[in-house]
Amino acid sequence: SQQGEEDPQALSIQEGENATMNCSYKTSINNLQWYRQNSGRGLVHLILIRSNEREKHSGRLRVTLDTSKKSSSLLITASRAADTASYFCATDGSEKLVFGKGTKLTVNP
Amino acid sequence: KAGVTQTPRYLIKTRGQQVTLSCSPISGHRSVSWYQQTPGQGLQFLFEYFSETQRNKGNFPGRFSGRQFSNSRSEMNVSTLELGDSALYLCASSLAGGGFQPQHFGDGTRLSIL
Repeated sequence: SQQGEEDPQALSIQEGENATMNCSYKTSINNLQWYRQNSGRGLVHLILIRSNEREKHSGRLRVTLDTSKKSSSLLITASRAADTASYFCATDGSEKLVFGKGTKLTVNP
Repeated sequence: KAGVTQTPRYLIKTRGQQVTLSCSPISGHRSVSWYQQTPGQGLQFLFEYFSETQRNKGNFPGRFSGRQFSNSRSEMNVSTLELGDSALYLCASSLAGGGFQPQHFGDGTRLSIL
């Protein structure tokens, strides 16, 4: 069963807008990771945030983690058509990565 | 550094057959994990190998098995294929595994069962 659940399941925005995706999980974690998957390809690691961190940035990506609410969010600023992909959160449950079902992001040019 | 390589990229089999998929991790990575991805169930963890030993296993039947060689390359085998085994099979490597580090994924093997 999935540990993380992303919300929304699908998101469609215009180029230049910001995209926010949320992830909720059930049990305590050591870290939470976000991955991107382009259609028909493997997953690409974006960011890892540890349980004692609240916010992390990488380029146009900003990730927040609220362990009291067992939730995380991924913000992509100034989105581009190339950001079109599915985005997954993953938590380290039982010494393995457990993935949510993902948010499908479409950025329209 | 070369990335994670999975072969073959596409495979078509019929029910009852068996199949072997191969994964070459990034050089120096000792952990290899396998996942099954389907539209209905999403990404499901199959198993993880570290230094030739299975370290963790997901909730899949015994028809799914794997192994890891001394050079860290890994294979997974599925016997007595069923229609429901149609999926994208992904492998991922990392230095130490266990979900504590970023994983590097291959582009997967798309398995279709007729």
